[in-house]
Amino acid sequence: AQSVTQLDSQVPVFEEAPVELRCNYSSSVSVYLFWYVQYPNQGLQLLLKYLSGSTLVKGINGFEAEFNKSQTSFHLRKPSVHISDTAEYFCAVSDDGGSQGNLIFGKGTKLSVKP
Amino acid sequence: DTEVTQTPKHLVMGMTNKKSLKCEQHMGHRAMYWYKQKAKKPPELMFVYSYEKLSINESVPSRFSPECPNSSLLNLHLHALQPEDSALYLCASSPVGRTAGTYEQYFGPGTRLTVT
Repeated sequence: AQSVTQLDSQVPVFEEAPVELRCNYSSSVSVYLFWYVQYPNQGLQLLLKYLSGSTLVKGINGFEAEFNKSQTSFHLRKPSVHISDTAEYFCAVSDDGGSQGNLIFGKGTKLSVKP
Repeated sequence: DTEVTQTPKHLVMGMTNKKSLKCEQHMGHRAMYWYKQKAKKPPELMFVYSYEKLSINESVPSRFSPECPNSSLLNLHLHALQPEDSALYLCASSPVGRTAGTYEQYFGPGTRLTVT
């Protein structure tokens, strides 16, 4: 069975500082990996995805993530954060067993950007 | 158009009421999902429809009844809910099958449900 671990439940950071949100997964098959962001009282928005190919994936809002198969990680990074990046971030892995690509979510990381 | 819409945005209902949540997408996606999300938790999958047929029911109580009238619409009928059912209900859609090439799901803004 697949699972996703987000190692930090909360990450406080000052504005314009770099940030890394950690995500590790377990899977015995090929995986598709995603990062979603959820702003307060809103739905989930896809930040970026890894399906295959280049291990460095660039997404929206200046975020990027690196797929590391040997470390089974997919950490999210941004070189300089803004106040508006304050939100909940979810890492997810797609279940390769079905045709619908059901998502398995991590527990989320709350990013708080302080002025 | 990469938008999934949900109505209503907010819903307050009593435990004896019957209400419905609605979800709509026009991206041609043939898989649609209902999730339940409690505060400070990740979304929990409830139902999956694939080509308008229910393909996954994650042991959801019968007081929740999904319906997929056509490829663009997804409803969730609610009856005799409990206060612990209060949550954000999210709808999502995605392409189906390996030939679609991607497995990302597009989420709607959700319906905030309060059961009194």
